[in-house]
Amino acid sequence: AQTVTQSQPEMSVQEAETVTLSCTYDTSESDYYLFWYKQPPSRQMILVIRQEAYKQQNATENRFSVNFQKAAKSFSLKISDSQLGDAAMYFCAYRNQGGKLIFGQGTELSVKP
Amino acid sequence: GAGVSQSPSNKVTEKGKDVELRCDPISGHTALYWYRQRLGQGLEFLIYFQGNSAPDKSGLPSDRFSAERTGESVSTLTIQRTQQEDSAVYLCASSLSTGVETQYFGPGTRLLVL
Repeated sequence: AQTVTQSQPEMSVQEAETVTLSCTYDTSESDYYLFWYKQPPSRQMILVIRQEAYKQQNATENRFSVNFQKAAKSFSLKISDSQLGDAAMYFCAYRNQGGKLIFGQGTELSVKP
Repeated sequence: GAGVSQSPSNKVTEKGKDVELRCDPISGHTALYWYRQRLGQGLEFLIYFQGNSAPDKSGLPSDRFSAERTGESVSTLTIQRTQQEDSAVYLCASSLSTGVETQYFGPGTRLLVL
């Protein structure tokens, strides 16, 4: 069975600085997708970025980028130029062949003005 | 509507009562997923539908939990004889299919069992 681990329950960053959130996963599959979702207090899960395992190039979306290390089964999220609106719970997720998402426990990010 | 909607937004019930939670997926999305999120935890998969059939029910915690989907649209998650440990946020997501498409989430239903 696949598992996803986020080892940082809480992180803090100064506004305009850069922060990296860690995620590792375990799987025997070779084809899969990885995601980072953001969940603000409103509870709405918002897709931040996705990565296809077959792609070697790291995904980027504006201020958000990932460092995908397939051999190490590592998938970290880097947030550059942090903004107050980035404060939220961040979840790393793995999608298996059947389509269901397997989530990590989450990292709560706070942004200091 | 443009997104996934869920109702009710909040539900308070007494232990032993049955509850029904509703999910309206994005129009045209054939795949629909239910997840449970306990306080301070990540999301746990419950069940998913492709069309009106449920190929994977492996996440349902007990036989008190059931779900159905009709018309490849609305889905209902039913919890019978609710217990206090059922208290959680129940999230629904939909995608174009179960393939490579991204899942889009609704706002969830917060269930509190007293």
